[in-house]
Amino acid sequence: DTAVSQTPKYLVTQMGNDKSIKCEQNLGHDTMYWYKQDSKKFLKIMFSYNNKELIINETVPNRFSPKSPDKAHLNLHINSLELGDSAVYFCASSQDGTPDYEQYFGPGTRLTVT
Amino acid sequence: GDSVTQMEGPVTLSEEAFLTINCTYTATGYPSLFWYVQYPGEGLQLLLKATKADDKGSNKGFEATYRKETTSFHLEKGSVQVSDSAVYFCALSDRYGNKLVFGAGTILRVKS
Repeated sequence: DTAVSQTPKYLVTQMGNDKSIKCEQNLGHDTMYWYKQDSKKFLKIMFSYNNKELIINETVPNRFSPKSPDKAHLNLHINSLELGDSAVYFCASSQDGTPDYEQYFGPGTRLTVT
Repeated sequence: GDSVTQMEGPVTLSEEAFLTINCTYTATGYPSLFWYVQYPGEGLQLLLKATKADDKGSNKGFEATYRKETTSFHLEKGSVQVSDSAVYFCALSDRYGNKLVFGAGTILRVKS
């Protein structure tokens, strides 16, 4: 069974469109995250949620809106897509968000905006 | 704010060579430190971690020691294999555990 899964794996869309990426974890973890990896492989936190509550919003444009319907899911909706949004987006989860616990990553969603 | 600096790559080695990837950090307090590995086309996997000073993390022949005095967490392996070719990320967890701060990643290429 996949621990952290994301759909879709690839997403190609045009500028101005709205799209969503879904993430689910079956580990029973309380904390979930979204990270963005740019073309140079640099990874940066976007959001973190603990028990469906937003904990971190790391200066991400308002066009990005995370939604956590329950603690096993954290979806990412992006409005009015721009070329600069092209990246790989990783979802992750950890047991309770404390520093000692590792984060488990999903396989990533490669978003290409044309 | 917290930050992680890794040696730039790519690092290209022959099979069975010794590997060192340098990592230093800047953080408030005493963060937990991690090495993650990303194989081509995959997500990140935890390779090893250390949660306090002088701890040594180890896994699959890789080792790293948490050095508070030099704020370093260098990754080492005595004999690399072609299958170790990947991108290696050093990271710290901020003191609240709410996020990982990553270094820029180091590409490792191992030739047979």
